[in-house]
Amino acid sequence: GAGVSQSPSNKVTEKGKDVELRCDPISGHTALYWYRQSLGQGLEFLIYFQGNSAPDKSGLPSDRFSAERTGGSVSTLTIQRTQQEDSAVYLCASSLVRLAGNEQFFGPGTRLTVL
Amino acid sequence: RKEVEQDPGPFNVPEGATVAFNCTYSNSASQSFFWYRQDCRKEPKLLMSVYSSGNEDGRFTAQLNRASQYISLLIRDSKLSDSATYLCVVNNFNKFYFGSGTKLNVKP
Repeated sequence: GAGVSQSPSNKVTEKGKDVELRCDPISGHTALYWYRQSLGQGLEFLIYFQGNSAPDKSGLPSDRFSAERTGGSVSTLTIQRTQQEDSAVYLCASSLVRLAGNEQFFGPGTRLTVL
Repeated sequence: RKEVEQDPGPFNVPEGATVAFNCTYSNSASQSFFWYRQDCRKEPKLLMSVYSSGNEDGRFTAQLNRASQYISLLIRDSKLSDSATYLCVVNNFNKFYFGSGTKLNVKP
């Protein structure tokens, strides 16, 4: 079956521009997570959704970052006024339910480069 | 202090060798633990969950030591295809914390 998909796969933008990153989770997965991974680093947790709500937004690095999820499915991560330090791979993951022991399935990521 | 710490390696081992990685975590209330594998420029994929009693999956054995707050991964009879970065993952109240990974290179 289809896995988690993300678009675009690569995004190059100029400093100060806004970008939108999209995630399509596995159908039926109620939990959705956003992470970012800088070169050679581990994954940094950004935010998770249970259904359409995000109970904890404390992982978002600044108020330039926002995320939403609609219809319990697709999620969009928006970065406003991008900075060079935002350059990273943004990974989305979904899991069947929001349980501590549940496996997360990752999408291939969006590689964001801010010039 | 980071939530999860790992030795970045790389661990360079010959085929057939046994290799072990450790990972420490800072929050004693952490609830669940995992090892993920990440190939170069690919997304992470679950290798195995780590249970309190320890668990084995083929050539892979995972152990959890709650008293000392570390988890381990043992790989026996290493294959060339085991070359990857191994990420230690800890769950605290539905937030997942990833270590920066341990790189393994298995050489012919």
